Amino acid sequence: NAGVTQTPKFRVLKTGQSMTLLCAQDMNHEYMYWYRQDPGMGLRLIHYSVGEGTTAKGEVPDGYNVSRLKKQNFLLGLESAAPSQTSVYFCASSLGTGRRETQYFGPGTRLLVL
Amino acid sequence: QQQVKQSPQSLIVQKGGISIINCAYENTAFDYFPWYQQFPGKGPALLIAIRPDVSEKKEGRFTISFNKSAKQFSLHIMDSQPGDSATYFCAATRWGYQKVTFGTGTKLQVIP
Repeated sequence: NAGVTQTPKFRVLKTGQSMTLLCAQDMNHEYMYWYRQDPGMGLRLIHYSVGEGTTAKGEVPDGYNVSRLKKQNFLLGLESAAPSQTSVYFCASSLGTGRRETQYFGPGTRLLVL
Repeated sequence: QQQVKQSPQSLIVQKGGISIINCAYENTAFDYFPWYQQFPGKGPALLIAIRPDVSEKKEGRFTISFNKSAKQFSLHIMDSQPGDSATYFCAATRWGYQKVTFGTGTKLQVIP
């Protein structure tokens, strides 16, 4: 079991460029999440999904879009990158029973927007 | 109402000492309080968790103390070791809630 994997590990973008971050999980989890981690700000939820084909906004959704076309994959898109989106992005997944579950995190994607 | 406040932001402890990280929450509907540990370059991972019907939970050198009336909980790391150097996040959630609210994190450094 690979758990939660993220692609790419590191990326440098210029302002205005677009990119997609891929998250994959092999645990058959229903729920998936995208967070960003910034110094002193902790983990802030960007978007999340409670099942294939569903997505919802989190705490800081502006400038990001997501899609969950397959249960095992959750994509995070930046349409027009801004320096404020420089961050470390983590994907997580959980079983999906809503019963105080453990979230399993991927290794992160470090994004630098110049 | 969804906030979890965590302190301190950073902490330096000598090897063998006790590390203490504190968290406070506002939403009384929260009924599950996990702590996540994150090593440099890695994603967070569940360390220990507590429900509010108990005042303390211990797993090895890690103990959560919970004060329901004060809406506060804390992580104690006894006999701290350099291998405990990591960022620790407290969190809160509740039955049926799809999300977890995280604190801002505490970077712990244990020096030899």
